[in-house]
Amino acid sequence: DAKTTQPPSMDCAEGRAANLPCNHSTISGNEYVYWYRQIHSQGPQYIIHGLKNNETNEMASLIITEDRKSSTLILPHATLRDTAVYYCIVRVRSSNTGKLIFGQGTTLQVKP
Amino acid sequence: DTAVSQTPKYLVTQMGNDKSIKCEQNLGHDTMYWYKQDSKKFLKIMFSYNNKELIINETVPNRFSPKSPDKAHLNLHINSLELGDSAVYFCASSQEAGGAYEQYFGPGTRLTVT
Repeated sequence: DAKTTQPPSMDCAEGRAANLPCNHSTISGNEYVYWYRQIHSQGPQYIIHGLKNNETNEMASLIITEDRKSSTLILPHATLRDTAVYYCIVRVRSSNTGKLIFGQGTTLQVKP
Repeated sequence: DTAVSQTPKYLVTQMGNDKSIKCEQNLGHDTMYWYKQDSKKFLKIMFSYNNKELIINETVPNRFSPKSPDKAHLNLHINSLELGDSAVYFCASSQEAGGAYEQYFGPGTRLTVT
């Protein structure tokens, strides 16, 4: 599975959009980009995933560049409850193990 | 209804003891996992079971033995506990191991070995 690089921390004002970048320059054509988050002391929570196209769900939007070497997770209107560690993970589409490899993630602090 | 539950939430024990952590999922998923999060907050997969069959064993010491009595349960038994085993252990499940299915995580079990 390809390696990902994320900034260690970011701040965002409450009510504003939070844009979390992820670099995955060695991604291959059969690898998905996943985003999970971990709110303090809780289990990780799935947010969204994508392969090539941009994706949106009730939690967030995922923008994947055309060359697929980077992506951005967008929380459109961040709230204090969105303060968490956000993990960008790349996983082979045809994986038969389901293994997720977590990096250090980005600690997002949403401020009032 | 809790999708993935773990018991106990906290476990404090002495070195050398044997302990078990239980996990249950009510999502009807085929695949279950154990992850370990150490004091530096690194999350790492330990085991994965698909339909009660072991499919991942990530170089975990033999003192750790997962057991899956049925598809809905994956328990973790740890023998001869060591100080380094202190961590938060998360159970997770997904519909299948392959494909793009997301994983649902339990609330974690904080194990402290003294």
